[in-house]
Amino acid sequence: QSALTQPASVSASPGQSITISCTGTSSDVGNYNLVSWYQQHPGKAPKLMIYEDNKRPSGVSNRFSGSKSDNTASLTISGLQAEDEADYYCYSYAGSSTWVFGGGTKLTVL
Amino acid sequence: EVQLVESGGGLVKPGGSLRLSCAASGFTFPNAWMSWVRQVPGKGLEWVGLIKSKTDGGTADYAAPVKGRFTISRDDSENTLYLQMNSLKTEDTAVYYCTTAHQGAFNYWGQGTLVTVSS
Repeated sequence: QSALTQPASVSASPGQSITISCTGTSSDVGNYNLVSWYQQHPGKAPKLMIYEDNKRPSGVSNRFSGSKSDNTASLTISGLQAEDEADYYCYSYAGSSTWVFGGGTKLTVL
Repeated sequence: EVQLVESGGGLVKPGGSLRLSCAASGFTFPNAWMSWVRQVPGKGLEWVGLIKSKTDGGTADYAAPVKGRFTISRDDSENTLYLQMNSLKTEDTAVYYCTTAHQGAFNYWGQGTLVTVSS
């Protein structure tokens, strides 16, 4: 199972918005409403930010939102803050009891 | 408060075996689906495998790179998850995280334990 495709890096200034894409296929991202997104700061465990494509866990800021179109899922962060600087990973069910992560995107807040 | 505490990591030679443990607390462990995720230092996340709750069958699924070498099990009486790793390869070197798995996502994560496979 191939990893989902994410841009290696994105950057923006505080207060701006960014969108990170996660491209899969009709066998994974496009076939199930099971994309989740994780934030990971250096040296820390990942944290769940979005699940089931667009749902936000309790306690996660509403500046984070998820969406999906065909085989591409997206994570949007609005009103960027310095503490949003981290690595972000998407994750999806890929059928046949297998799951796959994206390669990760490094977000830099300028 | 949910807590997941991994242990058992360390240095092992290629071809060797290691068993990781994950002590869980703060939630009803027997009802939880659990998973292992690994991360090569400085690299991305990789799903290793998942075990369902016994009420949902208790079966385990594995990623292709570890299938046949790794075994996930659980002791619901001890609220503990295990990862038995056999025939270890250098490419298995990674930080191994224990996670809860709910609605297709990893809600809670442990702090991770480092496994180094090297001669």
